[in-house]
Amino acid sequence: AAGVIQSPRHLIKEKRETATLKCYPIPRHDTVYWYQQGPGQDPQFLISFYEKMQSDKGSIPDRFSAQQFSDYHSELNMSSLELGDSALYFCASSVTVGGNPYNEQFFGPGTRLTVL
Amino acid sequence: AQKVTQAQTEISVVEKEDVTLDCVYETRDTTYYLFWYKQPPSGELVFLIRRNSFDEQNEISGRYSWNFQKSTSSFNFTITASQVVDSAVYFCALDPTITYSGGGADGLTFGKGTHLIIQP
Repeated sequence: AAGVIQSPRHLIKEKRETATLKCYPIPRHDTVYWYQQGPGQDPQFLISFYEKMQSDKGSIPDRFSAQQFSDYHSELNMSSLELGDSALYFCASSVTVGGNPYNEQFFGPGTRLTVL
Repeated sequence: AQKVTQAQTEISVVEKEDVTLDCVYETRDTTYYLFWYKQPPSGELVFLIRRNSFDEQNEISGRYSWNFQKSTSSFNFTITASQVVDSAVYFCALDPTITYSGGGADGLTFGKGTHLIIQP
């Protein structure tokens, strides 16, 4: 079965550079979530999109922005990178259908970002 | 606001022992989902179980079992006859909203995780 695809899997950047992470949800999934997991930490919810509109917002820094495109893939743009941005970034997707109570999020393998 | 507490930071047992990972949650929502995820050293998050707040029935899947008690806001996870491959960080998570009318993309609230070490 197809899973959530994230690219790149590993990324190394210098301080103050920008980075773009991409997420391709499971086919027919219309909702995408982004999470950040620092070393030894639990995943922290950043932001989510449903049908290309921002749905919920968590602890996303102002330096970060994200969007969901017409094909439902999503990109997380990170500017003015800081050492503290080094983390594992997960994307998850789910399908939301009217009357469907299931809200299970399927996680991608993550992108490991290292800021030097 | 939601909160998930995993009081056990690290547990170490010898292979074949049974081990229980505790999870206590707080939410003002009356409907919600609870999850357990496994994160091996490779880093991916592996889905183990989802339980909705309407269903307090315990569940068993092979060597894994889950005990959900709404009265104590707990959702504990037991591994029977543990194996070295069970070594990982285990996260309990809460989704405070079950959506019936479409839409709604709430992020999960995770606990801090329990690092489980199974020694041969």
